[in-house]
Amino acid sequence: GESVGLHLPTLSVQEGDNSIINCAYSNSASDYFIWYKQESGKGPQFIIDIRSNMDKRQGQRVTVLLNKTVKHLSLQIAATQPGDSAVYFCAENMAERGYNFNKFYFGSGTKLNVKP
Amino acid sequence: DAGVTQSPTHLIKTRGQQVTLRCSPISGHKSVSWYQQVLGQGPQFIFQYYEKEERGRGNFPDRFSARQFPNYSSELNVNALLLGDSALYLCASSFGGGANYGYTFGSGTRLTVV
Repeated sequence: GESVGLHLPTLSVQEGDNSIINCAYSNSASDYFIWYKQESGKGPQFIIDIRSNMDKRQGQRVTVLLNKTVKHLSLQIAATQPGDSAVYFCAENMAERGYNFNKFYFGSGTKLNVKP
Repeated sequence: DAGVTQSPTHLIKTRGQQVTLRCSPISGHKSVSWYQQVLGQGPQFIFQYYEKEERGRGNFPDRFSARQFPNYSSELNVNALLLGDSALYLCASSFGGGANYGYTFGSGTRLTVV
């Protein structure tokens, strides 16, 4: 399949290590955030979400941290596996004043390369 | 259960032509959103439809239009294609139309304009 991350920042980790992918979001009014994983030739796949009233949320092998003070998100993947190799996007949902619709702003993505 | 399905998977068109892309949401989902993903970038919001009405529009020219049918499926139309319209077009469905509903994405339609 065609790569979606030809010129993206790349994080290379050894299989079994922990990975940390960072994201700076743009709008202090954003109140809902999602991390997506996108493999070559596929659409983005939901990994984990977090709302602005939380600082941390844990899933299976993944943890998302939210620092609203500096508008920063991070995705931590424990015991990274070759199947985790993909492009990772953070997406922010900004509840725009006067509107109630579902619109996400996506970052430019980080390519995770897991070395066996 | 079927996920979000999009058709066709790949498409090649000539500049100036028109194209129609199709999307079927997850059963029970009433909202469909369309995104454009240029190679090497994150997806960019084009439209959201909920209960057959346009709920939101991104910063795209009027050459882009969409609609949602009574069965909640959707079509994205692009007229007068430009080379810069070459991209992966993603459809995403969600149960609700309001803020704070997460999406499920389809695998996309790869459009190449030559």
